[in-house]
Amino acid sequence: DADVTQTPRNRITKTGKRIMLECSQTKGHDRMYWYRQDPGLGLRLIYYSFDVKDINKGEISDGYSVSRQAQAKFSLSLESAIPNQTALYFCATSDLPGDEQYFGPGTRLTVT
Amino acid sequence: QKEVEQDPGPLSVPEGAIVSLNCTYSNSAFQYFMWYRQYSRKGPELLMYTYSSGNKEDGRFTAQVDKSSKYISLFIRDSQPSDSATYLCAMNSGGYQKVTFGTGTKLQVIP
Repeated sequence: DADVTQTPRNRITKTGKRIMLECSQTKGHDRMYWYRQDPGLGLRLIYYSFDVKDINKGEISDGYSVSRQAQAKFSLSLESAIPNQTALYFCATSDLPGDEQYFGPGTRLTVT
Repeated sequence: QKEVEQDPGPLSVPEGAIVSLNCTYSNSAFQYFMWYRQYSRKGPELLMYTYSSGNKEDGRFTAQVDKSSKYISLFIRDSQPSDSATYLCAMNSGGYQKVTFGTGTKLQVIP
């Protein structure tokens, strides 16, 4: 079984809809992250959490929110989806000291 | 100027060639260095992880860090078509600092 799982794997939604992307991990790591990836722009950090009680904004948090339900679960919500949020979304976990990150398989989100 | 610079490619090489992928960076506090491989429509996969300067070898892959030049490299020997992917470098100063990723270099190994 994969160490980091994401659901759904693909999602098509309409402008204005609220959607949630979920991430679960079995690696036992405290740190979890949400990234989006767009062609030519690389990985951009949306939110990150260093433990269950810690939530931090990344470089592109506007329009997104997160919830850390447990050490193993970190969900990303788009409150009112817009077309420029169409992207590939990745969840990742990491551990100290080097913070090397382990990624999930991604969610391909299309907002029409 | 970006904190981490990586040539986007694409880089095309014949099967069996030695591939050199590189990143430069500006933050002298970086001390943990990583290379990821990402196949199309898949999540990045950690390939190599090194601490501070020096070389690390794993099979056909060698990671090299030169902190004095702020330059890291990934060498792939005897490249195979299955190595065709996008390679991302990443680095971190440790502790509560976030990892910084390069934008990735797309590699194509031609049979």
